[in-house]
Amino acid sequence: EVQLVESGGGLVQPGGSLRLSCAASGFTFSSYSMNWVRQAPGKGLEWVSYISSSSSTIYYADSVKGRFTISRDNAKNSLYLQMNSLRAEDTAVYYCAREGGSGSFYDYWGQGTLVTVSS
Amino acid sequence: AIWMTQSPSLLSASTGDRVTISCRMSQGISSYLAWYQQKPGKAPELLIYAASTLQSGVPSRFSGSGSGTDFTLTISCLQSEDFATYYCQQYYSFPWTFGQGTKVEIK
Repeated sequence: EVQLVESGGGLVQPGGSLRLSCAASGFTFSSYSMNWVRQAPGKGLEWVSYISSSSSTIYYADSVKGRFTISRDNAKNSLYLQMNSLRAEDTAVYYCAREGGSGSFYDYWGQGTLVTVSS
Repeated sequence: AIWMTQSPSLLSASTGDRVTISCRMSQGISSYLAWYQQKPGKAPELLIYAASTLQSGVPSRFSGSGSGTDFTLTISCLQSEDFATYYCQQYYSFPWTFGQGTKVEIK
């Protein structure tokens, strides 16, 4: 059974940093591209970042470019999101999501981890 | 970036109704469109990809159609478990974008 479990969320002050992790199991993690998608409270879904299976290709949304860094460790079946210079507008539930094999849609999602940026 | 207009934002319906949700693109995306269902406090779940391909395990009352700029999600006979929020997503070009969402509520 495919499982994605996020961790690392919490309350952080504006300007602070946080590192999210996503532990994957039930599939060959190294064969799949992965993404982070976020959802602000009461709002819609926003794609945040993409990383290819070998980490050779990385994309970011303009809203986080230069502040967030996506990475993965295929030996540990883990995906990460390092978030620096956090702003109030980064407050959201952050989901890790696996890409389907035939395109950049998301066939499996984690349960999400809440990041709250507030003083 | 590709802009998406999803409508309606709120849809009131009864169990057994046939409902349709629309997603319109600012430019053509061939068939690179997915649909998701999200229930409160839960992660989204994939319903349809490639505009009309049903994800494994998704009931056949869900169907998708369209190509280019206009797409539709249809629920043929609404069930109680279908009351949720639905999102479209284009994956034709970076950055991938989602529609604003359609909440399907009980009339």
